Amino acid sequence: KAGVTQTPRYLIKTRGQQVTLSCSPISGHRSVSWYQQTPGQGLQFLFEYFSETQRNKGNFPGRFSGRQFSNSRSEMNVSTLELGDSALYLCASSSGRLAVGELFFGEGSRLTVL
Amino acid sequence: AQSVTQLDSQVPVFEEAPVELRCNYSSSVSVYLFWYVQYPNQGLQLLLKYLSGSTLVKSINGFEAEFNKSQTSFHLRKPSVHISDTAEYFCAVTYNQGGKLIFGQGTELSVKP
Repeated sequence: KAGVTQTPRYLIKTRGQQVTLSCSPISGHRSVSWYQQTPGQGLQFLFEYFSETQRNKGNFPGRFSGRQFSNSRSEMNVSTLELGDSALYLCASSSGRLAVGELFFGEGSRLTVL
Repeated sequence: AQSVTQLDSQVPVFEEAPVELRCNYSSSVSVYLFWYVQYPNQGLQLLLKYLSGSTLVKSINGFEAEFNKSQTSFHLRKPSVHISDTAEYFCAVTYNQGGKLIFGQGTELSVKP
């Protein structure tokens, strides 16, 4: 069974630009969550999608958005990039509502904002 | 606010020595606890979890953790570590909120020969 796939793995952007990150969950998984990982703030929850609906949302500004498609693939977008958005963005999938906390993580997309 | 505290940011230890990584969480009526491990340049992998039942949970590679409700702790232990255990370890909690985990700041375990 293929794992969680995130693309791109590395990217460099400049301030003010926007970026879109993609996540393909494990086949059959309907829940996708996104996390931001930085040395200073650690791992912080961004949002979770289940069956194309946002189920949970973290405390991030509106510049951070996401969506989920009918095949469970998910994208997150960050607009008007700031230096502080430099981070490793991790996507995680799980099989559904009853799979409490059993998240399977991808290797992440490392974003550098210059 | 719900929170998880990992008391040690770095733990250096010699190979074959025992180790304990400490984790405390803010109190709640219903809580589920996890330890994840992150090897360099990789995503997180679930190490072990407590959902209900026995308060002592074990992983396949020799780690164990004990849920202590009175002390709101979920410390991770291993009686004898290997070089390959070198990684960052994250304690996490969810309050039955699906994919929303609250993570601690992580503990970097460094095993030296």
